[in-house]
Amino acid sequence: GNSVTQMEGPVTLSEEAFLTINCTYTATGYPSLFWYVQYPGEGLQLLLKATKADDKGSNKGFEATYRKETTSFHLEKGSVQVSDSAVYFCALRNAGYSSASKIIFGSGTRLSIRP
Amino acid sequence: DVKVTQSSRYLVKRTGEKVFLECVQDMDHENMFWYRQDPGLGLRLIYFSYDVKMKEKGDIPEGYSVSREKKERFSLILESASTNQTSMYLCASSFPRVGGDEQFFGPGTRLTVL
Repeated sequence: GNSVTQMEGPVTLSEEAFLTINCTYTATGYPSLFWYVQYPGEGLQLLLKATKADDKGSNKGFEATYRKETTSFHLEKGSVQVSDSAVYFCALRNAGYSSASKIIFGSGTRLSIRP
Repeated sequence: DVKVTQSSRYLVKRTGEKVFLECVQDMDHENMFWYRQDPGLGLRLIYFSYDVKMKEKGDIPEGYSVSREKKERFSLILESASTNQTSMYLCASSFPRVGGDEQFFGPGTRLTVL
């Protein structure tokens, strides 16, 4: 079945460090891929998405490229800020799923940025 | 902006009580979802609904039921709360679109069952 595996946290970095959070997936067909972010005390919100192979999603300085050959969608940011401290979820939606748009979430990676 | 609201941020109930969690969205979305979020397990889908009075089981429906009488409102019901249902509950909604559709989440309800 469909699944998402992301690196375990917590991840702690200093401000302005480079960030990578790894995410790999298993799916049939051609899924859409997402990164969601959950700031403290809030619900999840979409950070970025990619709907086909080689697409790059980007937002707020974060990027992720849909790599079908490695079934990966790693999240990167060149210079993190304290305000990026949050929990990050990788997720997929199988494009062949015809009814309600069910999304499969990874287990989440907690990121803490030190000033 | 889409807004998804949940009736309570924090809730404390006793074992055996019937618990109602309410979710309302204001963007006329067809799809609505209930998840629970537990440390190390991410989000797990309990139930979802793609239309009024329609519902489908998610991955962990046992011990839960849902109600969708109006398009904007989706209720999660714990018929007889148990301590293993202590968790964060998140509601979400989306507009069905082929590929790449976004789910919008409420702030969550942290439920403690004593």
